[in-house]
Amino acid sequence: SQQGEEDPQALSIQEGENATMNCSYKTSINNLQWYRQNSGRGLVHLILIRSNEREKHSGRLRVTLDTSKKSSSLLITASRAADTASYFCATDYLGGGADGLTFGKGTHLIIQP
Amino acid sequence: DTAVSQTPKYLVTQMGNDKSIKCEQNLGHDTMYWYKQDSKKFLKIMFSYNNKELIINETVPNRFSPKSPDKAHLNLHINSLELGDSAVYFCASSPLGQETQYFGPGTRLLVL
Repeated sequence: SQQGEEDPQALSIQEGENATMNCSYKTSINNLQWYRQNSGRGLVHLILIRSNEREKHSGRLRVTLDTSKKSSSLLITASRAADTASYFCATDYLGGGADGLTFGKGTHLIIQP
Repeated sequence: DTAVSQTPKYLVTQMGNDKSIKCEQNLGHDTMYWYKQDSKKFLKIMFSYNNKELIINETVPNRFSPKSPDKAHLNLHINSLELGDSAVYFCASSPLGQETQYFGPGTRLLVL
């Protein structure tokens, strides 16, 4: 299956620290995306990185992509209590077209005040 | 204004019943999707619908059928509900050729 795997499954850090989450996938992709889901809510798109890109920044977010290792990382710098949420990586794999995204199992991030 | 909306937000029903969940997007997107999120938060694509082309995840039972009355709507009909159908169902949309998806707030379905 194309299903991605996030690591760690859960992460608890102090406010102000950096949080790093990793994602691995199995087949060739067009792009990889990260989404955030607050408790009881829908998913919100954070950032997209294409297969020919290696690093991308958006505000306090930094995403890397290593297609040779089929892995990505999401770094949230200077974490805030409001960053508490579940974070999912999702892949739009080659040939996917309108087939939708394939999501990992998510990392539950808790920011301690 | 809500970009992708779903109704109802909560749905509690008996096993064997038939139910529908509605989804509407006001973003002018060409592609719409339905996802199922189980109790372990695993999110799985069920359907995508694009220019009258329906792509079905082969693992989805045929008791589930999406219906699109127009470009802005993709409703999910579920027949003969089973206990295992209990989950949160998310609708999403994306512009044609774009990959970013916009998700609705979810419908929490509980089958008793």
